Amino acid sequence: DTAVSQTPKYLVTQMGNDKSIKCEQNLGHDTMYWYKQDSKKFLKIMFSYNNKELIINETVPNRFSPKSPDKAHLNLHINSLELGDSAVYFCASSLRQGGTEAFFGQGTRLTVV
Amino acid sequence: KQEVTQIPAALSVPEGENLVLNCSFTDSAIYNLQWFRQDPGKGLTSLLLIQSSQREQTSGRLNASLDKSSGRSTLYIAASQPGDSATYLCAVINAGGTSYGKLTFGQGTILTVHP
Repeated sequence: DTAVSQTPKYLVTQMGNDKSIKCEQNLGHDTMYWYKQDSKKFLKIMFSYNNKELIINETVPNRFSPKSPDKAHLNLHINSLELGDSAVYFCASSLRQGGTEAFFGQGTRLTVV
Repeated sequence: KQEVTQIPAALSVPEGENLVLNCSFTDSAIYNLQWFRQDPGKGLTSLLLIQSSQREQTSGRLNASLDKSSGRSTLYIAASQPGDSATYLCAVINAGGTSYGKLTFGQGTILTVHP
């Protein structure tokens, strides 16, 4: 029973397309995150939501738009995909905004061709 | 701005050795520090969480220590096994300002344990 699940696991698409990645957590957590892992394996936060409210937006291009329909879901929509968007995107959740353990999904490997 | 550094970048040891991975951070205003492992092509698995008020945490063969004032943490792995081979990531959860609640990661230590 996966705690944080992302779909799809792999996504290959052409430049200029629009795509979405979905994330769901069944842990009852209030806070959810999107992280990007680049080709050098460095993980960097993109967004954080707390109870469906955006609390961190880390200078991400506005082609990236997170949406949280409820506190168990945080989806990531990307418009006009570029080659540089190729990376692994991780969703994560924690019980609350600060001081609690974070749990990560298995990642979505996005390849833009 | 919080920066997290992990040393060494890569480590290769024979099976059975005890080893230490190092993590340092520049801003001591943290809630806690979390160690993860990442297997190739997989997600992150949480290993240990140390609250800022704690000095260490243990789980099986793993022991993590935290010296918040000096901005350092170590992950000690006893009696290493080939199955321990993975990338180990250190992350701090920032306590203040615009970075509140944000996990800041180090670049990781790639560990290889050979039989």
